[in-house]
Amino acid sequence: AQSVTQLDSQVPVFEEAPVELRCNYSSSVSVYLFWYVQYPNQGLQLLLKYLSGSTLVKGINGFEAEFNKSQTSFHLRKPSVHISDTAEYFCAGADSGGYQKVTFGTGTKLQVIP
Amino acid sequence: DAGITQSPRHKVTETGTPVTLRCHQTENHRYMYWYRQDPGHGLRLIHYSYGVKDTDKGEVSDGYSVSRSKTEDFLLTLESATSSQTSVYFCAISPGQGQETQYFGPGTRLLVL
Repeated sequence: AQSVTQLDSQVPVFEEAPVELRCNYSSSVSVYLFWYVQYPNQGLQLLLKYLSGSTLVKGINGFEAEFNKSQTSFHLRKPSVHISDTAEYFCAGADSGGYQKVTFGTGTKLQVIP
Repeated sequence: DAGITQSPRHKVTETGTPVTLRCHQTENHRYMYWYRQDPGHGLRLIHYSYGVKDTDKGEVSDGYSVSRSKTEDFLLTLESATSSQTSVYFCAISPGQGQETQYFGPGTRLLVL
């Protein structure tokens, strides 16, 4: 079964600085990987997902993530953050092949400092 | 935005009482899920449904039951609420298998006293 680890529970960063949120997964089979964002008092919404193909995935709001099979990582990056990016970010994964439940990481709170 | 509503949005109840949360979708998606969100645990799957009257357990199903009599509605019941079930509950839907995007409802905040 898939497991997902987010190494940082909180990441403070100054406005207009770059940010990387880390995610590692464990699986012996092919995987599907996702990043979701949760703004305060809202549900989660999809930022981007990797199913197959290009290892660099671009998502909404200027975010991108790179699938690295050798390091079993799927880190999320943005070159320049805005105040509006302050939110909690969740990495998630599912084993491929038939229906598989999605497993979520514990979340990383991104705090953008003016 | 995907048409997902949850009711109630907030609820306070007492230990030992039954509680039912409702998730309603207008997207005709096949899969529906119930998660709970707690600090330090992220989202954990309680139950999911892959069709009308077809449901299965998630990783934290003890103390919860679900029912899906119509495509659009997925009910989560806390049979006898306990303080450990104080949480934020999210419903999600998806059109297909695990690789599909899940669309989340706004959540229900439940406080069990």
